[in-house]
Order: sequence, then C-alpha cells, then structure tokens
Amino acid sequence: DVKVTQSSRYLVKRTGEKVFLECVQDMDHENMFWYRQDPGLGLRLIYFSYDVKMKEKGDIPEGYSVSREKKERFSLILESASTNQTSMYLCASSPSSAVYEQYFGPGTRLTVT
Amino acid sequence: GQNIDQPTEMTATEGAIVQINCTYQTSGFNGLFWYQQHAGEAPTFLSYNVLDGLEEKGRFSSFLSRSKGYSYLLLKELQMKDSASYLCAVDNTNAGKSTFGDGTTLTVKP
Repeated sequence: DVKVTQSSRYLVKRTGEKVFLECVQDMDHENMFWYRQDPGLGLRLIYFSYDVKMKEKGDIPEGYSVSREKKERFSLILESASTNQTSMYLCASSPSSAVYEQYFGPGTRLTVT
Repeated sequence: GQNIDQPTEMTATEGAIVQINCTYQTSGFNGLFWYQQHAGEAPTFLSYNVLDGLEEKGRFSSFLSRSKGYSYLLLKELQMKDSASYLCAVDNTNAGKSTFGDGTTLTVKP
C-alpha cells in the first residue's frame, strides 16, 4: 500500500524558531512536493524536488527552504518561523515516468505563536 | 498566469446527483485531476482527464473540454460520506507539478 508519512500531525512553535517538517515516502517516487493549505486559498506549492539533491521553487517559497539528501525523504525548513506561517502543511509524491496522481501525506498542522 | 475557478460551496441531498464545475486558464495543459479531501485528511485521487469527453468510474464521472477550458465532476447517488472538499488540479508542466483550485466544499444532507 502506498504510503507518505509526515513527522508530526500537530506542531506548536514560537516565533523565530527554526522548524523542520519531515516527509518520507516508501514508493520509490522521484517527485516530491511541499504545499501549504489555508482556508480560501487552496493548496499552494512551496517547493518541489524531482530528484535527490534537486529542488525548485514553487509559488510561495519565501521564508522556506528544503532538503532532499535521500530519495525517500524531503524536508521543509522554516528558517525563522513567523505567525503568518501558521498553516496546514502537506507533503506529496509522484513518479516521474508518466503522468501520475500525487500521493499525499496526512499533513502537519503548524501553529506559530 | 494560472487561474482555476471552482464554486466555494455546494449543498445537495442524499441520493441526488451533483455537478461540480471547474474552469481554468493556464499557460500549459497536459490534463486535469480531481481529488477528494475529507475534513482533516489528505487529498486522495479521484480521476484524471487528458482527452475531451466523459470518463466514468462508478458513481463518479469526470468531463473535460480542452477547447473551453472546462471540466466537471459528477457525483451520482450521493451518500453522506461524499461530504468533502473536491479539488480540481491542472497538470500544466512536464515536471509533475499541478496547479490546484481552491476546492469546492460539498455538504450532503439527509
């Protein structure tokens, strides 16, 4: 069974903290994605990666960075968390060999106080 | 630019049929996805349309008109468990990326 896991379901951090969100997939997918989802704004792409050590900016990369050292793991980093980064963060993966749907993790609800 | 429009909310009655529309204007187009997302859960894949026409999959069907930039998701014999958000997403690059609409929240009432 296809599986994308995220390190935490709920996370509370303070303003200015460095935050790491981890995502792991067990499907040997090349593509991995980080989105944030906010009411009324839908799913917005932060960063994506199509191979190990490769990354590309999505629509809203400001304030975020990513790391992909291994194929199965894609990390999202908030260098200095701010209250406007309070959101639901969703990780997804897909194979690159053809057009396939994305498989999503359960999400991490991050609150920055 | 990318623009994908869906109604924000819809309400329908158990057992009825509902059509959720999606219009798009994007810089490229390979195909269109529909995802279902229950509250507090991850989106899950429903359908993918590349060619014009209707694709049927059980109670759910999806239609695409590339020339009109238009798609719809048709849900038949609605059940209470169909209450969810339905996301339209355009596959518009060769890098596996999709651009998502804001989603339509469907409420099914008894």
